[in-house]
Amino acid sequence: QVQLQESGPGLVKPSQTLSLTCTVSGGSISSGGYYWSWIRQHPGKGLEWIGYIYYSGSTYYNPSLKSRVTISVDTSKNQFSLKLSSVTAADTAVYYCARAQVHYFDYWGQGTLVTVSS
Amino acid sequence: DIQMTQSPSSVSASVGDRVTITCRASQGISSWLAWYQQKPGKAPKLLIYAASSLQSGVPSRFSGSGSGTDFTLTISSLQPEDFATYYCQQANSFPLFTFGPGTKVDIK
Repeated sequence: QVQLQESGPGLVKPSQTLSLTCTVSGGSISSGGYYWSWIRQHPGKGLEWIGYIYYSGSTYYNPSLKSRVTISVDTSKNQFSLKLSSVTAADTAVYYCARAQVHYFDYWGQGTLVTVSS
Repeated sequence: DIQMTQSPSSVSASVGDRVTITCRASQGISSWLAWYQQKPGKAPKLLIYAASSLQSGVPSRFSGSGSGTDFTLTISSLQPEDFATYYCQQANSFPLFTFGPGTKVDIK
């Protein structure tokens, strides 16, 4: 059973960089065939796809966030990470990591709330 | 960009009711559509993919239909554990994914 777990600071100051890591267990990122994604949900709102990375390092980002987002992978640790720069209060959200079977998200982490506040 | 809308935004229903939720895409997406269920404080769970394929382990009371721009999720007999918010997601514009705004199913 594949499991994903987000980790990282729950509080980030405005203008700083949000950094989260997703640790995958029960399956190897290196096995290929899946796209490892970040998705966020603003409080009480819907879901916004942020971007994904393939085990090879290929990435694709939501154009609305592209200028501030970097997703990277560490296959030796079976982890992938999100960095979102120049954050504002509008980036306060629950951040999920998820596995995409190309088009659909079949496994999700439990989510982690990140609050942007001074 | 492909925009997704859902109706209704909320529905009140009783256990045993048949519930239908509609999702509409701003342009044709063939059958590239998924449905997710989200309970408070939990991550979304994949129910249906490719518009009508049931994800492994999901009860058969859930079904999906549609293609092009109009899609439906049907719960044939609502159970207590089905009270949740449901989201559609389009995958036609892969690798750019978008979700609908959600439909909350609560107890009448």
